[in-house]
Amino acid sequence: EIVMTQIPATLSVSPGERATLSCRASQSVGSNLAWYQQRPGQSPRLLIYGASTRATGIPGRFSGSGSGTQFTLTISSLQSEDFAVYYCQQYNNWPPEASFGQGTKLEIK
Amino acid sequence: QITLKESGPALVKPTQTLTLTCTFSGFSLSTVGVGVGWIRQPPGKALEWLALIYWDDDKRYSPSLRSRLTVTKDTSKNQVVLVMTNMDPVDTATYYCAHRPPSAPSLKYYFDSWGQGTLVTVSS
Repeated sequence: EIVMTQIPATLSVSPGERATLSCRASQSVGSNLAWYQQRPGQSPRLLIYGASTRATGIPGRFSGSGSGTQFTLTISSLQSEDFAVYYCQQYNNWPPEASFGQGTKLEIK
Repeated sequence: QITLKESGPALVKPTQTLTLTCTFSGFSLSTVGVGVGWIRQPPGKALEWLALIYWDDDKRYSPSLRSRLTVTKDTSKNQVVLVMTNMDPVDTATYYCAHRPPSAPSLKYYFDSWGQGTLVTVSS
């Protein structure tokens, strides 16, 4: 089983600033990593897949990087609607399964 | 535009069987590469993947819940059904169905469209 760890659990950032969220896999997942945003009371929304490819309609201020076991989601200039919980998800292992991290809550500083 | 919607009971008793239906539009589950997955989220907690069914009826289950889960599809009705047996209060969660895009790597899954979710409470 691949365990996904997201650090920190809560991140406080001011609007307009840059936010950097981390996700670590317990073993290599290559580039098979996705990021999701979940606003309060809403369903998750796919932001990034393949570690660095933005999903359709996702603003350019969202970027993903990393490979292997270490991944980063960067939001370059935080807007009010970006304050939410972010989850990473690996989809690399065999037998195929999808495992999520515990989430990082991005809150207004 | 892809839409998915979950339906089923809001309340089930311990030991009962839960049956949830995902009704979708905007894609066909007969298209090569397409899949529909189920993910749940206990209140205030993280997401947990449960199961996935592919266009070719291949099915995948979470190892920890495999013995309790069954997923089936009715392509003509654009529906996917999840059955979970022996429900327990720890299974209280919002249950989501989601679309696996055909562009995802073979036998790997992420989800690009999600339903609104349905809250299932397990209590006597």
